[in-house]
Amino acid sequence: GEDVEQSLFLSVREGDSSVINCTYTDSSSTYLYWYKQEPGAGLQLLTYIFSNMDMKQDQRLTVLLNKKDKHLSLRIADTQTGDSAIYFCAERDNAGNMLTFGGGTRLMVKP
Amino acid sequence: DAGVTQSPTHLIKTRGQQVTLRCSPKSGHDTVSWYQQALGQGPQFIFQYYEEEERQRGNFPDRFSGHQFPNYSSELNVNALLLGDSALYLCASSLDRRIEGYTFGSGTRLTVV
Repeated sequence: GEDVEQSLFLSVREGDSSVINCTYTDSSSTYLYWYKQEPGAGLQLLTYIFSNMDMKQDQRLTVLLNKKDKHLSLRIADTQTGDSAIYFCAERDNAGNMLTFGGGTRLMVKP
Repeated sequence: DAGVTQSPTHLIKTRGQQVTLRCSPKSGHDTVSWYQQALGQGPQFIFQYYEEEERQRGNFPDRFSGHQFPNYSSELNVNALLLGDSALYLCASSLDRRIEGYTFGSGTRLTVV
């Protein structure tokens, strides 16, 4: 079955880079996503990557995909206090209907 | 342009009762998915509605049912509520299977006592 795993917690200092890691098991996943959730809010799509890509950069965000190891990472450059939130990675099923989420990584940014 | 709207925002119900949650998708979207997010966990897929029919269902019992209306809005119904049904219920809309993924609402916090 499908399973997506993430580390629970990450703490960084403001201005440093943050790297949030994720592993997934469904090798047939076509797209992989990163979402951000702030307290009391829904999920905000940050970025996504197609499974035949190795890297995608979008302003301060860099996504790396190692398909062989089924490992996905999100790097946030120059992390700000406003980046403090829970970050979820998710894989999309082959039919394109369903997202399977990891348990989320809580990012804390210290001033 | 309004995003995904869910109502109510909070709800308290007693075990055994039934509940209906509502979702209006983002303008231009025709597909609605429902997710359950227990405290401290990632969202889990309940089901997806497209063209007023359930297109795919996750691993949830039949107590969970839904409906999509001609205007693309949707309802999630849960019967015979259990304490374990306490969670944040998220609605997500999309334009069919577009790769940009889903726009999520802020959710309905359901507490079962």
